[in-house]
Amino acid sequence: KAGVTQTPRYLIKTRGQQVTLSCSPISGHRSVSWYQQTPGQGLQFLFEYFSETQRNKGNFPGRFSGRQFSNSRSEMNVSTLELGDSALYLCASSLRAGYYGYTFGSGTRLTVV
Amino acid sequence: TQLLEQSPQFLSIQEGENLTVYCNSSSVFSSLQWYRQEPGEGPVLLVTVVTGGEVKKLKRLTFQFGDARKDSSLHITAAQPGDTGLYLCADNTNAGKSTFGDGTTLTVKP
Repeated sequence: KAGVTQTPRYLIKTRGQQVTLSCSPISGHRSVSWYQQTPGQGLQFLFEYFSETQRNKGNFPGRFSGRQFSNSRSEMNVSTLELGDSALYLCASSLRAGYYGYTFGSGTRLTVV
Repeated sequence: TQLLEQSPQFLSIQEGENLTVYCNSSSVFSSLQWYRQEPGEGPVLLVTVVTGGEVKKLKRLTFQFGDARKDSSLHITAAQPGDTGLYLCADNTNAGKSTFGDGTTLTVKP
């Protein structure tokens, strides 16, 4: 079956702009989580969605937001981009909120200049 | 907040050698996962362990879960260059909000 698909793979944005990243989970997976990965901070949890509802949120500013659609596809948005937002953004889907592990997408590499 | 410590941070070995990497927690794990990540890609799930004392094998990889469920190890036998990558452990005590260790970067030289 198809894996987790993230688009786009690469993005270059300017400070102050906003960006939207997309994630299509594995068919049948209703839980979608987002993580930010940077060399200095490792993998940091952003938020988790289940059946269109945000169930968990990490310690990120309100500039980071997300949503999930009825077909379980998810988007995350970052507004007013800062240089420090440059990172690999990873989407992960699971059957039981990660209890048995996640299937990750290949990520979106965001560079803010 | 649960903290996961992985050691060593970096490991560089020759092909054919054996190695062990470790993951320790400040509190009891609910379920523990090990992932391997290659540069520019997302982590790939290797195994999930949930029972204290559990041992799982995946070809040349052996995963152990401590009896007290606060530590785990990953042992690789006869490492190959294809084993090169970042090895991450993760805890799912907070369902849907997994905590990841900083990882062990493994380089296997031919």
